[in-house]
Amino acid sequence: GQNIDQPTEMTATEGAIVQINCTYQTSGFNGLFWYQQHAGEAPTFLSYNVLDGLEEKGRFSSFLSRSKGYSYLLLKELQMKDSASYLCAPFAGGGNKLTFGTGTQLKVEL
Amino acid sequence: DTEVTQTPKHLVMGMTNKKSLKCEQHMGHRAMYWYKQKAKKPPELMFVYSYEKLSINESVPSRFSPECPNSSLLNLHLHALQPEDSALYLCASSQELTVRTPFEQFFGPGTRLTVL
Repeated sequence: GQNIDQPTEMTATEGAIVQINCTYQTSGFNGLFWYQQHAGEAPTFLSYNVLDGLEEKGRFSSFLSRSKGYSYLLLKELQMKDSASYLCAPFAGGGNKLTFGTGTQLKVEL
Repeated sequence: DTEVTQTPKHLVMGMTNKKSLKCEQHMGHRAMYWYKQKAKKPPELMFVYSYEKLSINESVPSRFSPECPNSSLLNLHLHALQPEDSALYLCASSQELTVRTPFEQFFGPGTRLTVL
């Protein structure tokens, strides 16, 4: 089974750094994806982690601790266009099966 | 071409209608997915196809019938739907299905379905 927890909403200031946390309890865990979804649009891939540690991709970084069942997405130099929902999605077992968390709605303000 | 396309964008249907949603990708991906997303909720997996064969059915009611005619196309046939089936239906594709190595899933823009 799966139990995924992430904050419902966050607010941050343009130019700042924000960290979105995700905790999970996932049987057969193999890795974790982060997706961004703007309202009314499809989710778009941001990053994924299989091993413990930090993965950096431009302004976005994602961290994973398998032993703690914990991941975070770090967004630097926030821009207004970063206002969106951020979905944590553990990957478990076979079949490339993703289960999405409820998402964190990020609002970037001036 | 890194795009997944879906038609139609919007669909309104009655509970006695039969309609189909279509999804297409030309990235050479061999895994394709259907998700359902209700407002302010995350996407929920419905079906997964691997090499044109149904790999996962997440206990979806039989009024939803998937079909994969070839490696580029995925259909979702709808019949006798209920108003609570109104949602955004998302198609996605990925390079392959594997047990351990995750492949990024590319999502289409979705079909917004309203059942009256």
